[in-house]
Amino acid sequence: QLQLQESGPGLVTPSETLSLTCAVSGVSISNRNYYWGWIRQPPGKGLEWVATVYYAGHTHYNPSLQSRVTISADTSENHFSLTLTSVTAADTAVYYCVRQHYDIFTGQYNWFDSWGQGTLVTVSS
Amino acid sequence: DIVMTQSPDSLAVSLGERATINCKSSQTVLYSSNNKNYLAWYQQKPGQPPKLLIYWASTRESGVPDRFSGSGSGTDFSLTIRSLQAEDVAVYFCQQYYSRPWMFGQGTKVEIK
Repeated sequence: QLQLQESGPGLVTPSETLSLTCAVSGVSISNRNYYWGWIRQPPGKGLEWVATVYYAGHTHYNPSLQSRVTISADTSENHFSLTLTSVTAADTAVYYCVRQHYDIFTGQYNWFDSWGQGTLVTVSS
Repeated sequence: DIVMTQSPDSLAVSLGERATINCKSSQTVLYSSNNKNYLAWYQQKPGQPPKLLIYWASTRESGVPDRFSGSGSGTDFSLTIRSLQAEDVAVYFCQQYYSRPWMFGQGTKVEIK
């Protein structure tokens, strides 16, 4: 059974770097049928896609965050990670790690079919 | 960017009654080459992560009760809960996966009247 578990500091100082890891169990992140990513949700607000990574290293970023975000995958540890630099209070959110269905025959990116429980990251001094 | 707009922002429905949520995309999410709508619906209960309900605008994810149904094409879509149950109280989001950045609607809160 697939499980996604986020980990990382719950409090980050403004202007510093936020780092999160998602440990995946029950399936290999090297499975070619999936991308892996992060979606965030500010308290009481909607959902924002942040970034996505393929096991082979191919990445996609939300243009609104692209200058500050990096996503990477570690197939040996079966986890993937997110870093977000120069954080501000606007980056305060629950960060979810997700699995995204990918059609390897058409190259189409599809829905987010599995979500971690989420981790609240607060940016504050 | 394809902006997703849901309506209403909230609705209250009596138990056993029908609930309908609308979602409109700023551009078509219908891919002409395969005639599929790149539109998903998610349910988020309080304190929980979102859960995939429907993809391809109308295909229910495995295990999702058949009282949930999705319809629509192009730019206009709906999620219908045929007979609202207490456990359906949640916020519902639509999402387009037609093009990056993948974007969600603002959410519709469904409550019991």
